[in-house]
Amino acid sequence: GNSVTQMEGPVTLSEEAFLTINCTYTATGYPSLFWYVQYPGEGLQLLLKATKADDKGSNKGFEATYRKETTSFHLEKGSVQVSDSAVYFCALSENFGNEKLTFGTGTRLTIIP
Amino acid sequence: GAGVSQSPSNKVTEKGKDVELRCDPISGHTALYWYRQRLGQGLEFLIYFQGNSAPDKSGLPSDRFSAERTGESVSTLTIQRTQQEDSAVYLCASSPRNRGAQFFGPGTRLTVL
Repeated sequence: GNSVTQMEGPVTLSEEAFLTINCTYTATGYPSLFWYVQYPGEGLQLLLKATKADDKGSNKGFEATYRKETTSFHLEKGSVQVSDSAVYFCALSENFGNEKLTFGTGTRLTIIP
Repeated sequence: GAGVSQSPSNKVTEKGKDVELRCDPISGHTALYWYRQRLGQGLEFLIYFQGNSAPDKSGLPSDRFSAERTGESVSTLTIQRTQQEDSAVYLCASSPRNRGAQFFGPGTRLTVL
């Protein structure tokens, strides 16, 4: 079956540091890949997505590139801010028409000033 | 409404009681998904609706769990004879037909005493 493995947290960084949260996946077909974010006290929001190999998703300074050869979708940001503190979930969906999401366990990120 | 809404936001119940959780998807979204997030874990898929039919119920953990949907609108998730292991946040998401991005509601936090 499908699975997503992501970097275990918690991760604590100083403001303006470089961020990488690793995510790898196992899927039988050609999935779409997503990063969702859950800010404190808020619901889950889509951060970015990529639907095919070599696509790069980007939003709010975050980027992730769909790497089929390494089955990875690592999340990066060049300079994090305190407001980026949240839980980040990597996810995939397959089967065009039933796009249920398979999630990783989440990575809690805390940015300190 | 502007987004997916869920009610109640919090529910505390006694073991053995039945509970009903409600989801109002974004208007016009034909696909609707239920997920469960237990403490410290990732989100688990429960059931998928396309319109008012449920082609994928594979994530329902037992026959105590059921769900229905009225047309392309409200969905209810019912848990009968609740157990302590049912304690979790239950999330609903909707998406337009054949699109990869799902929009999540704020969730219902269920606590079974």
